[in-house]
Amino acid sequence: RKEVEQDPGPFNVPEGATVAFNCTYSNSASQSFFWYRQDCRKEPKLLMSVYSSGNEDGRFTAQLNRASQYISLLIRDSKLSDSATYLCVVINNQGGKLIFGQGTELSVKP
Amino acid sequence: NAGVMQNPRHLVRRRGQEARLRCSPMKGHSHVYWYRQLPEEGLKFMVYLQKENIIDESGMPKERFSAEFPKEGPSILRIQQVVRGDSAAYFCASSPSFRGGTEAFFGQGTRLTVV
Repeated sequence: RKEVEQDPGPFNVPEGATVAFNCTYSNSASQSFFWYRQDCRKEPKLLMSVYSSGNEDGRFTAQLNRASQYISLLIRDSKLSDSATYLCVVINNQGGKLIFGQGTELSVKP
Repeated sequence: NAGVMQNPRHLVRRRGQEARLRCSPMKGHSHVYWYRQLPEEGLKFMVYLQKENIIDESGMPKERFSAEFPKEGPSILRIQQVVRGDSAAYFCASSPSFRGGTEAFFGQGTRLTVV
């Protein structure tokens, strides 16, 4: 079983749609969680951290369920510029390395 | 404050040659990570280093690959006797220290092509 698993993609949605990405992690010692975004196989860039209480940044909402070892990202009112690959990232405080999910590709169409 | 700098951006090597990839972390960052992304695949962890120490190299192939992060100068990922399967994008990331919640910043990557 992979340490971090994401929804298989791609997701093809119209502009304005709401889309949700899911991610599960296998190591219960995982302590820090992030969503990164990667455009056209360029360098990944941090989209947002994920906190236990859930957090929102504009159209983006991230949630963490430690009991289920599950992380989600919700994008509301999708824009064309949201088209990218979204990467779920987990850090195990015992090791310190960032573990990436395989990524979910989002394509927002006009 | 410049971001994470990787060079070269593109590197072409013939089979059997050596490839050296350099990564200069952001100022004040003492932790460096190397990742490999094969065509059509996700990012795979290779190695995690602090200054002069390898913390975790569980993702490094057992042969031909080595990494260092000296006290002075950039981190180096070295691939000896390259093969076609080494063709990939190699990304470096840095962070200031390891504490929960600390994000890592990525360089633009080195695209290695083995011909």
